[in-house]
Amino acid sequence: SQTIHQWPATLVQPVGSPLSLECTVEGTSNPNLYWYRQAAGRGLQLLFYSVGIGQISSEVPQNLSASRPQDRQFILSSKKLLLSDSGFYLCAWTRPGQGRGYTFGSGTRLTVV
Amino acid sequence: AQRVTQPEKLLSVFKGAPVELKCNYSYSGSPELFWYVQYSRQRLQLLLRHISRESIKGFTADLNKGETSFHLKKPFAQEEDSAMYYCALIGGSSGSARQLTFGSGTQLTVLP
Repeated sequence: SQTIHQWPATLVQPVGSPLSLECTVEGTSNPNLYWYRQAAGRGLQLLFYSVGIGQISSEVPQNLSASRPQDRQFILSSKKLLLSDSGFYLCAWTRPGQGRGYTFGSGTRLTVV
Repeated sequence: AQRVTQPEKLLSVFKGAPVELKCNYSYSGSPELFWYVQYSRQRLQLLLRHISRESIKGFTADLNKGETSFHLKKPFAQEEDSAMYYCALIGGSSGSARQLTFGSGTQLTVLP
């Protein structure tokens, strides 16, 4: 069966520090991968998606970046965190062409202080 | 551009009362609509999708293209229904990375 792992679960980082959140999927190949963010009082916002290794599409310009070094690995990064980067980050995957099959990770609660 | 609007951030009903969570969407093509739910300390998970015309945990949702709505309804709310509910839409062509666009969510609280 397919599973998705996301870590860490919680993270407190100072302003200006780097960030790396990791997401891995097991039990499938060539998934579409997504990073969403939920800021306080707001809905879920798509940040990045990827249809293959090294292929990243950005939905919202900001100081975050994403990379997909391996087929089932999706990384969300920042060189210098801002206070506004605080929020709940969710990774998700689907099979190509099947948007209805979204499966979400357990999320990372990031607090920038 | 596609957009999903959930006008109620918070909704409280008493146990046994009917509940309706509102969702309106904006999309130029034929969208696929979904409801996702996140119970306390659990992952976001799919509740139902309009193409399946299914009833999950007593919830139903009908796509009204004329009103561009996809309201979630349950005739008799239960305390275990308390959760955050997200309406979501998928647009885009088949074969592409079909992104979900979420509404801002409605926190449902069912009171005893």
